[in-house]
This record gives sequence, C-alpha cells and structure tokens, in this order.
Amino acid sequence: AQSVTQLDSQVPVFEEAPVELRCNYSSSVSVYLFWYVQYPNQGLQLLLKYLSGSTLVKGINGFEAEFNKSQTSFHLRKPSVHISDTAEYFCAVIPGGSQGNLIFGKGTKLSVKP
Amino acid sequence: IAGITQAPTSQILAAGRRMTLRCTQDMRHNAMYWYRQDLGLGLRLIHYSNTAGTTGKGEVPDGYSVSRANTDDFPLTLASAVPSQTSVYFCASALGGDQPQHFGDGTRLSIL
Repeated sequence: AQSVTQLDSQVPVFEEAPVELRCNYSSSVSVYLFWYVQYPNQGLQLLLKYLSGSTLVKGINGFEAEFNKSQTSFHLRKPSVHISDTAEYFCAVIPGGSQGNLIFGKGTKLSVKP
Repeated sequence: IAGITQAPTSQILAAGRRMTLRCTQDMRHNAMYWYRQDLGLGLRLIHYSNTAGTTGKGEVPDGYSVSRANTDDFPLTLASAVPSQTSVYFCASALGGDQPQHFGDGTRLSIL
C-alpha cells in the first residue's frame, strides 16, 4: 500500500533562515503530489501540487517543492521564512490509478522563532 | 464566498448518542471526503464519494456512515458515539479524483 513519510515531526528555525521539510513516498507507477498547510484551529490549505510537467513546483507564500522520481521524494523549501509561516505542513499523495483518495503524511510542525 | 461549510464547529456528546456532522459545498465539486485528524496520526480518510449517489469506505470507516443524496451535501453520521471517536473532523471536496482537495474548517468533537 502507498505510504507517505515526513521525516521530521518538528522543525524549529529562526526568522529569515531557509527551511526544507522532507517528504518521501513509497514507489508507484505514477503519483500526484501535494503539500498542504494548516494554521492553528483551521482547515488545510493547498500550498502547491505536482500533477505532471516540470519537476520544480512553485506554490503560494514563496514555497516551492521538487519532485524527484528516482528518490521518491517531494521536499518543500522556502529560502527565507517568516514568523507567519509557523504552522503544520502535510505532504500528501494520490497514487496513480486509485480512486483519487489522498494519503497523508503525519505532518511536520514548523516553528519560526524571532 | 464559495467554499465548504461544516457544522457544528464543535460539539460535546455523551457516549451512545447519535450525531450527524454536516458538510455543504457550493463549488459543484463531484468528489467529497471525510477525514479525522488525531495528534500524531495525521489525517485519515473515513469515507468518500466520487459523485452524487455513490460512496466508498476509506481507511477508518467503522462506526461511521455517510450519504450523498445530491452534489452539495455529504453528512457524516455516528450511529452510537464512543470515546475513541473524539477527534477533529474535516470535510473536503474536489473537482475530480486527481484534483486538489479543498477543506472545511473542521468540527471538533468530544465524546464523553
């Protein structure tokens, strides 16, 4: 069965520092990949998605992610974080040929400190 | 404003009681989903519906039922609530099965 692993449950960083949140998925013929962000007491908001095409995907709020098929990874990056980026980030996968159901990682809590 | 509306926003319920969580979307999305979110476990799919009139079981369907009588509404029912169903419940919708999902703000449910 398809699975998604977010390697870090918590990532503390200082404001204006770069950050990378790691995501690996189990291999499949094809996948659609997503990153969602959840601010406290809110629902999930789509940050970016990879469906096909360029492996470097740009999303909202200055985030980007790179699809690496050989390493089955989809790491999320931002060159300079803000206090307002403090949130929980979820990587998710739709396996190709499935019903379209998202499989989520367990989340990474990003804490940006001044 | 287009989107997904969940009700109630929070509820405390006695064990054994029946409860229906409501979810309505106005985006004319075909697919709808119910998830539960628990600390350390991320989001887990309870039930889904790819189109009006059809439903399917997700990863954790036991104790829950859904119906999809029309495109806009996708209620989730707990027939007899148990404490292990204490969780935050999210409804989501998508244009189709491979499209990004849009989430509601959640229902925080506590079963005592």
